[in-house]
Amino acid sequence: GAGVSQSPRYKVAKRGQDVALRCDPISGHVSLFWYQQALGQGPEFLTYFQNEAQLDKSGLPSDRFFAERPEGSVSTLKIQRTQQEDSAVYLCASSRWSEAFFGQGTRLTVV
Amino acid sequence: AQSVTQLGSHVSVSEGALVLLRCNYSSSVPPYLFWYVQYPNQGLQLLLKYTSAATLVKGINGFEAEFKKSETSFHLTKPSAHMSDAAEYFCAVSEGETSGSRLTFGEGTQLTVNP
Repeated sequence: GAGVSQSPRYKVAKRGQDVALRCDPISGHVSLFWYQQALGQGPEFLTYFQNEAQLDKSGLPSDRFFAERPEGSVSTLKIQRTQQEDSAVYLCASSRWSEAFFGQGTRLTVV
Repeated sequence: AQSVTQLGSHVSVSEGALVLLRCNYSSSVPPYLFWYVQYPNQGLQLLLKYTSAATLVKGINGFEAEFKKSETSFHLTKPSAHMSDAAEYFCAVSEGETSGSRLTFGEGTQLTVNP
């Protein structure tokens, strides 16, 4: 596609519910990143993939967060047993050279 | 470890006035520096980047930034503000220029442009 596509754009989850957020990167982009942006804050790094390999997951806040990119293209960020502090915008970015291209994000609200 | 500090969470200017958004960084290695703009309910769009070439970097929409190593700064400027510049601006630093380099962002500066 023309850009990074994320779905859904908005997600409301009840506390304790599991959610899955999808990212379709730009075709051919090797690198894929997930960031979490809390309200009024800058994005914070969650995890990084190079093709299908998850090379850095040091930013994942707890073991309730899990990300995968099984075929080196589409990626899914899964959050289990969601809590109110998980409410944020989740941004996906892909890059091939030095510039990262961001999707529009998924706004997750946990109620 | 790297970090970015953006001075002023809100900046307000009049249309046609100079825009100055401040960014200071901390990095243990030569930094790569970026400015991104975020419009409401949108993702981040790259305005410009510094990658150790020229210290004065020109970007899109008339923005530019100057890398000053002695001051550890990378302030963003635009000579004349336009209403369409109203948005949130983020300064970011990475350790490398490669596609696998993660970004560390500042907390952002909300720019308001008054008619």
